[in-house]
Amino acid sequence: DAKTTQPPSMDCAEGRAANLPCNHSTISGNEYVYWYRQIHSQGPQYIIHGLKNNETNEMASLIITEDRKSSTLILPHATLRDTAVYYCIAYHGSGNTGKLIFGQGTTLQVKP
Amino acid sequence: GAVVSQHPSRVICKSGTSVKIECRSLDFQATTMFWYRQFPKQSLMLMATSNEGSKATYEQGVEKDKFLINHASLTLSTLTVTSAHPEDSSFYICSATRGAGGRETQYFGPGTRLLVL
Repeated sequence: DAKTTQPPSMDCAEGRAANLPCNHSTISGNEYVYWYRQIHSQGPQYIIHGLKNNETNEMASLIITEDRKSSTLILPHATLRDTAVYYCIAYHGSGNTGKLIFGQGTTLQVKP
Repeated sequence: GAVVSQHPSRVICKSGTSVKIECRSLDFQATTMFWYRQFPKQSLMLMATSNEGSKATYEQGVEKDKFLINHASLTLSTLTVTSAHPEDSSFYICSATRGAGGRETQYFGPGTRLLVL
């Protein structure tokens, strides 16, 4: 699976949009971009994933560049409960045999 | 989203004993589950892939005789840490895969914190 690069940490003001970038310049054509987050001492939580089109759900939006070499996760109105480590992973499922390989992620601190 | 549970949530044991951790997919069937380990201030490290009805596949450097994995049904995988030592103290997390193709998603359990004295 392709390696991803994320900034180690970011701050965001409560109520503002949090934009978390991810570079995946070596992503292959059949790899999806997945985002998870981990709140302290809990298991990771699935947020969103996409292949090449932008995606939106009740938690976040995912913007993928046309060349698919980078993406941005957007939390539209960050709250204090969004403080967590956010992981961007390039992943090819391959019939339930694909493995999620976690990097160091971005620690997002939402401040009042 | 889908629900994956783990039991126990935390366990303290003496050095040399074995500890079993259960991972269950509560509202879906999972032919594949994964086991991760996480040390303080580090990212998750994949230990092994648990396949229903067949042997687990272990990542490089993970001792299969120390970390026994059994995936006896489509909703249950167990990880047994045998002859545990203090260096095995860690946060163990499982995940289960739901869906296929572009809708495939791994859902994670809440984790089990193991402390070996």
